[in-house]
Amino acid sequence: QQQVKQSPQSLIVQKGGISIINCAYENTAFDYFPWYQQFPGKGPALLIAIRPDVSEKKEGRFTISFNKSAKQFSLHIMDSQPGDSATYFCAASTSGSRLTFGEGTQLTVNP
Amino acid sequence: EAGVAQSPRYKIIEKRQSVAFWCNPISGHATLYWYQQILGQGPKLLIQFQNNGVVDDSQLPKDRFSAERLKGVDSTLKIQPAKLEDSAVYLCASSSAGPDEQFFGPGTRLTVL
Repeated sequence: QQQVKQSPQSLIVQKGGISIINCAYENTAFDYFPWYQQFPGKGPALLIAIRPDVSEKKEGRFTISFNKSAKQFSLHIMDSQPGDSATYFCAASTSGSRLTFGEGTQLTVNP
Repeated sequence: EAGVAQSPRYKIIEKRQSVAFWCNPISGHATLYWYQQILGQGPKLLIQFQNNGVVDDSQLPKDRFSAERLKGVDSTLKIQPAKLEDSAVYLCASSSAGPDEQFFGPGTRLTVL
């Protein structure tokens, strides 16, 4: 199975709050899990990525949590800001193969 | 460094017409990808090039879509003839090594009427 299921489809949080987006996968051969951020009219941009040898990776306000046994990974955005309002995509791949993207989460951070 | 360039940014055509998109990847990037992003969905890979050669075109509708990468640099994606369901944003991306750290262009928004 190559699918990556992402939830929620849309998310509204207040400024300063925590945004959490979840993804689940089925293919146990996946070994690279990036998150992309996309603003309207722009292409996706790599935000943060993790490999399954670690359970968590943090870069500034962005954290990926990875649960290999549950085949799930999530993006946490701490202290969410209005500038974080965008569409977020999780993705997964095996080394050297195509990225499979989730359906996307439209995040709105209210001031 | 300059990013991935794509043109045109927008294109409106009638069904059964032909259309072509152009992509110039980041200098030195050997791998180039074309994705189709339908409104409200994640990008779906159409074709992946490594230098001049095709690595993966398993999801490319070959009866109407074609792509080439000239001299391992620029690439064109063509649709002939277009269908209504081809309305989407066509994204080009490049990377220096494999599928990791792909850099995306701004995309071409295609509307088929």
